[in-house]
Amino acid sequence: DAMVIQNPRYQVTQFGKPVTLSCSQTLNHNVMYWYQQKSSQAPKLLFHYYDKDFNNEADTPDNFQSRRPNTSFCFLDIRSPGLGDAAMYLCATSAGRRPLENEQFFGPGTRLTVL
Amino acid sequence: SQQGEEDPQALSIQEGENATMNCSYKTSINNLQWYRQNSGRGLVHLILIRSNEREKHSGRLRVTLDTSKKSSSLLITASRAADTASYFCATPGGTSYGKLTFGQGTILTVHP
Repeated sequence: DAMVIQNPRYQVTQFGKPVTLSCSQTLNHNVMYWYQQKSSQAPKLLFHYYDKDFNNEADTPDNFQSRRPNTSFCFLDIRSPGLGDAAMYLCATSAGRRPLENEQFFGPGTRLTVL
Repeated sequence: SQQGEEDPQALSIQEGENATMNCSYKTSINNLQWYRQNSGRGLVHLILIRSNEREKHSGRLRVTLDTSKKSSSLLITASRAADTASYFCATPGGTSYGKLTFGQGTILTVHP
């Protein structure tokens, strides 16, 4: 089945230790998104790619970076995680053909704990 | 900035009852989407309603949209324990390609 896969599902890191979360998709979608979701809050968009074009949200901290080496894979790098970065990180994709009507397909998320 | 505001924040009902959740938004939209999120999981798209539509059905789901009031509602009929989840409305936001802005969500608990 076509899907969005996130690895790992649970990630524990230490304060200040760089961490990378990965996302892959078999949907062949043009657009990939990274969201941060804290407990009982709405998902907050960090950035997204349309093909190789990177779009950063204005309020995304510099501590967060992303890479998309090919259509299928996208990575979220947190250079120096702080306690406030503990959250669920959600990857999503959309087909990108009708930008205003794109249904987004989400992965199961990676729960990040910062010690 | 927050585009969608949802109410109630939490809703607790018995199996078989109907559940209604409301979403209000601030700016003109082309469409509005509803998503479900089971605890600790990703979001699942439920339904999209366009700005020229007033009502849309999908199985036990009924969505309405009132663009004059900038509001939408999601009705789940004959609820089941498996409907227990958080429900989010989402609207196209900003100029970023395909960006969605999510409301704060309604936590629905259906008791068996």
